[in-house]
Amino acid sequence: NAGVTQTPKFQVLKTGQSMTLQCAQDMNHNSMYWYRQDPGMGLRLIYYSASEGTTDKGEVPNGYNVSRLNKREFSLRLESAAPSQTSVYFCASRKGTSGGLPYQETQYFGPGTRLLVL
Amino acid sequence: SQKIEQNSEALNIQEGKTATLTCNYTNYSPAYLQWYRQDPGRGPVFLLLIRENEKEKRKERLKVTFDTTLKQSLFHITASQPADSATYLCALSPRTYKYIFGTGTRLKVLA
Repeated sequence: NAGVTQTPKFQVLKTGQSMTLQCAQDMNHNSMYWYRQDPGMGLRLIYYSASEGTTDKGEVPNGYNVSRLNKREFSLRLESAAPSQTSVYFCASRKGTSGGLPYQETQYFGPGTRLLVL
Repeated sequence: SQKIEQNSEALNIQEGKTATLTCNYTNYSPAYLQWYRQDPGRGPVFLLLIRENEKEKRKERLKVTFDTTLKQSLFHITASQPADSATYLCALSPRTYKYIFGTGTRLKVLA
């Protein structure tokens, strides 16, 4: 059971380049999240997917797009990278039981992707 | 706007003492609060969850309190050990799928 996996672990981009961050979970969770973590700012929600087939914006969605490819995978795309997107990106998943109280459930985080945009 | 504050300065304590970390929030009515541990270069790991109608929760050497009147949660580690050194994050959710995280407090336990 790998939990939540993210690829790549580290990436350097030039301004204007595009890339996709991959995330997969093997826990059969319904909900998945993308966060960015910057010094002094804490974890900020970029996008989330409450269940397969749905996605919603979080606190800082500008400059990003997401795809919930299937129940296991949730990718984050930077169409035209900017230096302000230099950050550590974390993917997380949550069980999201139907009919339950979603906010009572914990999140499981991946190891992160460190992105540097020059 | 909604705001969560954790002490941004590192907390240094002596091994064996009790570490107390604070999480304050404003403009918020969270249904529950969670505490996570984050080691350098790794993702956060869940530790404890406390609901709005609970005053205190314990797990082994960890204790969390939640005061919705003061809008504050305290996180205690008793008999602290050097292995407890990490950054601790609090997270709130108002009753939706979204979570709001604090900036975290770095704890260093000195041997």
